[in-house]
Amino acid sequence: DTGVSQDPRHKITKRGQNVTFRCDPISEHNRLYWYRQTLGQGPEFLTYFQNEAQLEKSRLLSDRFSAERPKGSFSTLEIQRTEQGDSAMYLCASSLYERTEAFFGQGTRLTVV
Amino acid sequence: AQRVTQPEKLLSVFKGAPVELKCNYSYSGSPELFWYVQYSRQRLQLLLRHISRESIKGFTADLNKGETSFHLKKPFAQEEDSAMYYCALLGFVFGPGTRLSVLP
Repeated sequence: DTGVSQDPRHKITKRGQNVTFRCDPISEHNRLYWYRQTLGQGPEFLTYFQNEAQLEKSRLLSDRFSAERPKGSFSTLEIQRTEQGDSAMYLCASSLYERTEAFFGQGTRLTVV
Repeated sequence: AQRVTQPEKLLSVFKGAPVELKCNYSYSGSPELFWYVQYSRQRLQLLLRHISRESIKGFTADLNKGETSFHLKKPFAQEEDSAMYYCALLGFVFGPGTRLSVLP
């Protein structure tokens, strides 16, 4: 499968724990996006990278959230001191350039108990 | 600010009826609009983009810069069209989505 892949698919964690998600984009894609999606809502933009540079962060992305894309390849999204409100589907997408089609991964479903 | 609105959360139509899913955007620059679809238990995928001016699965959409709209239309809905539809600006700023339910 040469599409966008995300790991893990599901994560259950206790409140206050840290979690890290990984996204592997399509190999030649320069842009990588992170979204959060809750039931019945559209994808909420969190942040995006152009190669290894993080170009934009949403105000939704509190200080507990951090994302990296070392060497412009895979990306990680870390949530520190998780809260129940962080429970959601976290989606990753990649695109070749700006203004081109975004290809989505299957998402990581986070449940904070 | 970049923003996409989709006024209808749910749209139910009967099979064979016309469908129009509304999308409005706000953006100060030159817009580029996309429609994405998410079928049950599948990942989000592109349906069409305005620059291509193509019809996919019978769906079309026209960019109206004067009304800042990019409505999705299909003349005759099919049951397999039932899904979540998202309008996206620049390819990555998404609206809240409209659930289309096509009834038999």
